[in-house]
This record gives sequence, C-alpha cells and structure tokens, in this order.
Amino acid sequence: DQQVKQNSPSLSVQEGRISILNCDYTNSMFDYFLWYKKYPAEGPTFLISISSIKDKNEDGRFTVFLNKSAKHLSLHIVPSQPGDSAVYFCAATSMEYGNKLVFGAGTILRVKS
Amino acid sequence: DTEVTQTPKHLVMGMTNKKSLKCEQHMGHRAMYWYKQKAKKPPELMFVYSYEKLSINESVPSRFSPECPNSSLLNLHLHALQPEDSALYLCASSPAGGSYNEQFFGPGTRLTVL
Repeated sequence: DQQVKQNSPSLSVQEGRISILNCDYTNSMFDYFLWYKKYPAEGPTFLISISSIKDKNEDGRFTVFLNKSAKHLSLHIVPSQPGDSAVYFCAATSMEYGNKLVFGAGTILRVKS
Repeated sequence: DTEVTQTPKHLVMGMTNKKSLKCEQHMGHRAMYWYKQKAKKPPELMFVYSYEKLSINESVPSRFSPECPNSSLLNLHLHALQPEDSALYLCASSPAGGSYNEQFFGPGTRLTVL
C-alpha cells in the first residue's frame, strides 16, 4: 500500500519556466514532509521540508505548498535551470513513525535549455 | 565536514561470500540509517540506529546484519545473499532520533550478487 504517491513519473520543462512536482499522501497521521533531489550515482540530497502547521515554505528558488485537506503537496522550482534535472522524491513522516521516512516513487525532472 | 561517506562504491559478490559495507559521518549525528534502493524505486528503510542502539529493524532478513561500533560509524555485514539483493545501499544520518530532522544521505554502494 503506497502511502506516498508521486503520480507523474516524469516532467519536462523549458529552462526559465516553472517546474511543479506533485505528491499525494494517504496517511493523515503524517505531519512532516520533505523533498529530496537525486542525481544518478549519488545519494538523495535534502531540498526543503514543511511541517503540517504551515501551508507554505520557501527557500530561494524552491517553494513547497501543503494542502492538508487534500493530502497534497507540491514543489515549485522557479526559474528552472538545467542543473535541476534529477529525480525528485517526496517523503513523509510523523512522530508515530519515529525516524522512518516514507518515500514516494519519484519524478524525473528534465529541464531543457 | 557535512558529508556521509560510504565504501566501497561498487561491490560484486557471490552468494557464498561474506562482505561488509561501511558508512561514516563526522557531523555529530546520533541517528544513522541503512536504506535499500532498487532501480526506478524509492529508497526503502532497512535499519535505524539511534544513539548507537538499534531502534528499527524493518523485518530485514538475517543475511543482513547491521553494526554501529560508535556514533560515527555504521556497518552492514552481508552473508549468503541472493541475486535479488542486488541494489543500491544507502546510508544516512540525522542530528538526533526524532522525526523532524532531515536525513543526510551518502552516495551509496552499488551491490551486485551473482
């Protein structure tokens, strides 16, 4: 049972435009969400996180939005750059889960120059 | 030092071999993790050590044996693996054992079991 879903396996965006990556979750106990970026042959790199007490968190070009009622979060990258091309994983957790992150399947982002 | 390092980068082993994967961090983190990632799949948690004690074992087969000799080191001992155990093995660490800390990942060890 996939508790964290990223329904778009891939996304292609023109350089300079906005990239929007989506993530849905089913477990209402999740209250902390993270986005990781992964290049081939490297480990995932932490990008940005959001707690369920917020609906938005911004860090430079990256903004994460959380809609608790819809159990949906999205990562916006503006402007997109070719170096952003990678696999993006959404992850969720809660105090009940202790140290365990539940990952989505990932979305491959390709930014075309 | 803000890195998690893993050795070796690549490992090929037979089903009767015994090998070990190593992970090291010098960020003062007190929680360390082993994940397994198959191609085109998300990382799956295997083990969590919190303050050098095993706190989570996600029902991993006993042919995988973790060890945390000290707060900076994490090992994964492998014995009698199966070809389906071939995967990328990722180590991660976080500041403490609580939920709300991002985990820092190493580059992984690509394991092939023949």
